Amino acid sequence: KAGVTQTPRYLIKTRGQQVTLSCSPISGHRSVSWYQQTPGQGLQFLFEYFSETQRNKGNFPGRFSGRQFSNSRSEMNVSTLELGDSALYLCASSATGDPNEKLFFGSGTQLSVL
Amino acid sequence: GESVGLHLPTLSVQEGDNSIINCAYSNSASDYFIWYKQESGKGPQFIIDIRSNMDKRQGQRVTVLLNKTVKHLSLQIAATQPGDSAVYFCAENSGGGADGLTFGKGTHLIIQP
Repeated sequence: KAGVTQTPRYLIKTRGQQVTLSCSPISGHRSVSWYQQTPGQGLQFLFEYFSETQRNKGNFPGRFSGRQFSNSRSEMNVSTLELGDSALYLCASSATGDPNEKLFFGSGTQLSVL
Repeated sequence: GESVGLHLPTLSVQEGDNSIINCAYSNSASDYFIWYKQESGKGPQFIIDIRSNMDKRQGQRVTVLLNKTVKHLSLQIAATQPGDSAVYFCAENSGGGADGLTFGKGTHLIIQP
């Protein structure tokens, strides 16, 4: 069974631009979560989607948004990029999104904002 | 807010020795804990999990211990191998899922030959 797939692997953008990242969960998994990882703040929860609906959201500004499609694939978008948005963006999937269910992570998209 | 923390940022051990990585958490309401391993250039990889109704759980070469009295979690790796070199994170689900997983800062495990 294929794991969580994230594309692209690397991205370089400039301030003010917007970016869209893509995530394909493990087959059969319906919950997709997004995390931001930086050296200073570590791993921080962005949001979680289940059945095309955002169920939970972390403490990030509205510039960060996402969506989920009927096949459970998910995208996240960051608008008006800032230098501080440079990070590794990780997608994780689980079968149902139950709080006590293990998450499986992809390899991430490394975003650099110049 | 409450968060999960690690005692040491770096841990260096001899190949073949046992490793113990510690984690302190502050949310007494947390009921599920996970250890992840992250190698360079990769996403976190699930190692082992434990629920709050248990105090010990064993996997292949790994053991997780949970002490709810002092809010302490540890990961023990037996007979450490070069492939165990990575950053190890503990995580807790403290918000009933509403806040996702709360991760610690991580401990970098270095294996000395």
